[in-house]
Amino acid sequence: GAVVSQHPSRVICKSGTSVKIECRSLDFQATTMFWYRQFPKKSLMLMATSNEGSKATYEQGVEKDKFLINHASLTLSTLTVTSAHPEDSSFYICSASLQRGTTDTQYFGPGTRLTVL
Amino acid sequence: AQSVTQLGSHVSVSEGALVLLRCNYSSSVPPYLFWYVQYPNQGLQLLLKYTTGATLVKGINGFEAEFKKSETSFHLTKPSAHMSDAAEYFCAVIVTGFQKLVFGTGTRLLVSP
Repeated sequence: GAVVSQHPSRVICKSGTSVKIECRSLDFQATTMFWYRQFPKKSLMLMATSNEGSKATYEQGVEKDKFLINHASLTLSTLTVTSAHPEDSSFYICSASLQRGTTDTQYFGPGTRLTVL
Repeated sequence: AQSVTQLGSHVSVSEGALVLLRCNYSSSVPPYLFWYVQYPNQGLQLLLKYTTGATLVKGINGFEAEFKKSETSFHLTKPSAHMSDAAEYFCAVIVTGFQKLVFGTGTRLLVSP
C-alpha cells in the first residue's frame, strides 16, 4: 500500500514552453500532497504544500506564478512549470500524506526529471 | 525551528561490514523522525520512522535506528552491508502538528566487494 506515482518520469522541453507533472496516490486518499525539487547531489527542497480543494502554500522564494499547483482531488495533484527556462531543469518529486493516525508519514513518488533546452 | 544534520556526505563500507549513518536533530518539541533511501533517479522510499514508544525502531532491508533524546540523535545502522544497500540516505524530522518534513543533506553509502 501507500503507492504514489508520477507522470511523466522524464520530460524534455524547449525554453518558453509549459510542462505539467502529475502526482497520484494510487491506493489511498491524500488530503495533502507536497512538491519538492532536488538539485544534483543535493537534498530535497520543499516547494509547496498542496491541500485538496484549496490553494497551495508556497515556500519562501518559490514563484507562485512560475510553479502552478492544483490539487483537484484526493488522489491527484499537478505541478505546472510555466514558461520553463534552463534553470528550471531539475528533479521534481511529489509526496503524499496518508490520512491515518498522526504520524504524518509522507510517501514519495518516483520523481520527474525535467530538462529544459 | 527544527533542523537535521547528517555527518558525512559519503560513507564507505565493505560488503558484510557494519553500516552506521549518523543523524542529529534539533527540535524544541518532541519530533517524529524518519530515514528515507533514494536510489539513482528514483524517489524516496521510507526505511523506518520513529513517532512515540519504543526508541529502537526496525525498518525494512535489515535497517534499524535508535532514538536517543539525550543525544538528539537518530543514527541508522545495519549489521551487515550488502551491495544493494549502496544509495543515498536521508534523515528527516517533522514536528508534531505540522506536516513539513525537514531533510538532512543526505549521506551517500558506498559498498565495496
